[in-house]
Amino acid sequence: GAGVSQTPSNKVTEKGKYVELRCDPISGHTALYWYRQSLGQGPEFLIYFQGTGAADDSGLPNDRFFAVRPEGSVSTLKIQRTERGDSAVYLCASSLHNSGGLNEQFFGPGTRLTVL
Amino acid sequence: AQSVTQPDIHITVSEGASLELRCNYSYGATPYLFWYVQSPGQGLQLLLKYFSGDTLVQGIKGFEAEFKRSQSSFNLRKPSVHWSDAAEYFCAVGPLTGTASKLTFGTGTRLQVTL
Repeated sequence: GAGVSQTPSNKVTEKGKYVELRCDPISGHTALYWYRQSLGQGPEFLIYFQGTGAADDSGLPNDRFFAVRPEGSVSTLKIQRTERGDSAVYLCASSLHNSGGLNEQFFGPGTRLTVL
Repeated sequence: AQSVTQPDIHITVSEGASLELRCNYSYGATPYLFWYVQSPGQGLQLLLKYFSGDTLVQGIKGFEAEFKRSQSSFNLRKPSVHWSDAAEYFCAVGPLTGTASKLTFGTGTRLQVTL
């Protein structure tokens, strides 16, 4: 079956611009996660959705970052007034949500964001 | 706060040699522990996970890992490395309670395999 997909695969923008990154989770997965991976680092948690609501947004670095998941499936990560420090690979993951045990997170290939 | 340490940034082994990648964690309770592999241009793929039971867990591609509570370690091993194993490896922890939550990753170990 189809895995997690992310678009675009690469995004180059100029400092100060607004960008949107899209994530299509695996069908039926109710949990969706965004992570950011800077060069030479491991992924860092940004935000987690359970259904349509953000269950944990403690990883968002500041109020320039915002994410939505209006219908409980596709999610969009939005970054306003981009800065060069926002350059990174943005990873999306999804998992089943049911009682009992941590469910495996399936990761997409990521969107590489470059802010010039 | 939880943290994961992977002390080796880069490791080179010869094809056919054994491999051990180190992972130490700091966590307030017994965590879920994971190893992921990331090949260039690919998403993270789960190799194996541990949350209870036998402390030696088997994963895909011939990998295994051993949980040692006394050392707060979860080292990844493979008896005989193949050239296709060259990739970046990440150790991660997640909370034992709850059904879905964020993972905390280490900084990764890049594995190079020489022929």
